[in-house]
Amino acid sequence: GDSVTQMEGPVTLSEEAFLTINCTYTATGYPSLFWYVQYPGEGLQLLLKATKADDKGSNKGFEATYRKETTSFHLEKGSVQVSDSAVYFCALTYGSSNTGKLIFGQGTTLQVKP
Amino acid sequence: GAGVSQSPSNKVTEKGKDVELRCDPISGHTALYWYRQSLGQGLEFLIYFQGNSAPDKSGLPSDRFSAERTGGSVSTLTIQRTQQEDSAVYLCASSIKRGGETQYFGPGTRLLVL
Repeated sequence: GDSVTQMEGPVTLSEEAFLTINCTYTATGYPSLFWYVQYPGEGLQLLLKATKADDKGSNKGFEATYRKETTSFHLEKGSVQVSDSAVYFCALTYGSSNTGKLIFGQGTTLQVKP
Repeated sequence: GAGVSQSPSNKVTEKGKDVELRCDPISGHTALYWYRQSLGQGLEFLIYFQGNSAPDKSGLPSDRFSAERTGGSVSTLTIQRTQQEDSAVYLCASSIKRGGETQYFGPGTRLLVL
């Protein structure tokens, strides 16, 4: 079945460091890919998405590129801030002919220290 | 505009009792999803509604779990004869339509079964 695998956390970085959180997926079709973020005490919110191969999603300095050949959607940011400390979830879903339910990775906790 | 709301925000119950969790989606969103977030299982899909019908109930873990949606709006997730393993955060999300669209999440209901 379809699945998403993320690198295990926690990831601890100093402010202004470069961030990569790895995400790979297994899918029977051609999914859309998402990164959701959960800040402490808050609900899940969409960070970025990409709907087809080679698309790049970007938001708030974060970006991820949909790589079909490596079935990956790694999240990157050039310079993290303390306010980026959160749990990050990679997820996939299918297009309009499907229900749209999200299949999530296990989440990666990021802690940024000043 | 108003986001997805859920109530109660916290619920403590005794094993064997029934509980009802409520979700108010964003107005005009036809698709509604329930997920469960637990320490051992991560984020799991439970059920999907399109309008008032539920074409995908594949994630409901047992027949103790049921859900309904009325008026194409409010949804209620009911857990009968609660067990300790039901303890989790129950998340509701809505999207303007099914399939690949951005899902907007509520803050969740934290359920603790004693």
